[in-house]
Amino acid sequence: AQKITQTQPGMFVQEKEAVTLDCTYDTSDPSYGLFWYKQPSSGEMIFLIYQGSYDQQNATEGRYSLNFQKARKSANLVISASQLGDSAMYFCAMREGRGGKLIFGQGTELSVKP
Amino acid sequence: NAGVTQTPKFRILKIGQSMTLQCAQDMNHNYMYWYRQDPGMGLKLIYYSVGAGITDKGEVPNGYNVSRSTTEDFPLRLELAAPSQTSVYFCASSYPSGGAFFGQGTRLTVV
Repeated sequence: AQKITQTQPGMFVQEKEAVTLDCTYDTSDPSYGLFWYKQPSSGEMIFLIYQGSYDQQNATEGRYSLNFQKARKSANLVISASQLGDSAMYFCAMREGRGGKLIFGQGTELSVKP
Repeated sequence: NAGVTQTPKFRILKIGQSMTLQCAQDMNHNYMYWYRQDPGMGLKLIYYSVGAGITDKGEVPNGYNVSRSTTEDFPLRLELAAPSQTSVYFCASSYPSGGAFFGQGTRLTVV
C-alpha cells in the first residue's frame, strides 16, 4: 500500500547551517513521484521540489536538494544555508504513477535560530 | 494568473447544514485533489480526480461528495455538517507528473 512517513515532528537549526528533513515511503508501483512542500505560519502550501522515480540524479532547486535513495525508499530534503524565513512546516508527499493519488506525510516543523 | 481558486475563504455552518466548497483551476491540469488539514496535523486526502468525469475516494471520504464535470472545476459537497468536519480545506491541481499547486484554503467551522 502507498505510504509516506516523516518521523521528525520538530527540528532546530542554526541560521546559515544546513539541515536534513527525513522522509521514507513505501509503494509497489515502480513509477512514482516524490515532492516536498513548505507551509509557513500563514497557511499556504508552497511546492519546493520534485523527484521522479526514474530520475538518475537528485533534484535540486536553489538551496533545496532532494537526497533520493531508492533502495532505502527515502527522499530526504536538504536545505543549505538556512535562513530565518525557512522556519515553517515541511511536508513530504508521494504520488503513484498508476492511479494518481497524492498523499502527504505528517510533517516536520523546522525552526531556524538566529 | 489565477492558478487554483477556492471559494469561500471562511465559512461557519450549523450542525446538519450542507454546503459546497468551490475549486477552479485555469492551468488545464488533469488531476485535482481535495484535502483537509486539522490543527497541527498533516493533509488528509478526501477525494481526487484524474480527469473530467472521473473521481475516486482518498483517505477520509466519509461525509463528502465530489463531481468533476469539467477540467476546470472540482466542487466538494458537505452533506449534514458535523463538528468533526471543522477544518481547513485545500484544493490542488497538477499534471500527471510534477508538483501540485494549491489554493489558499477554506477555513470551515461547524457549530
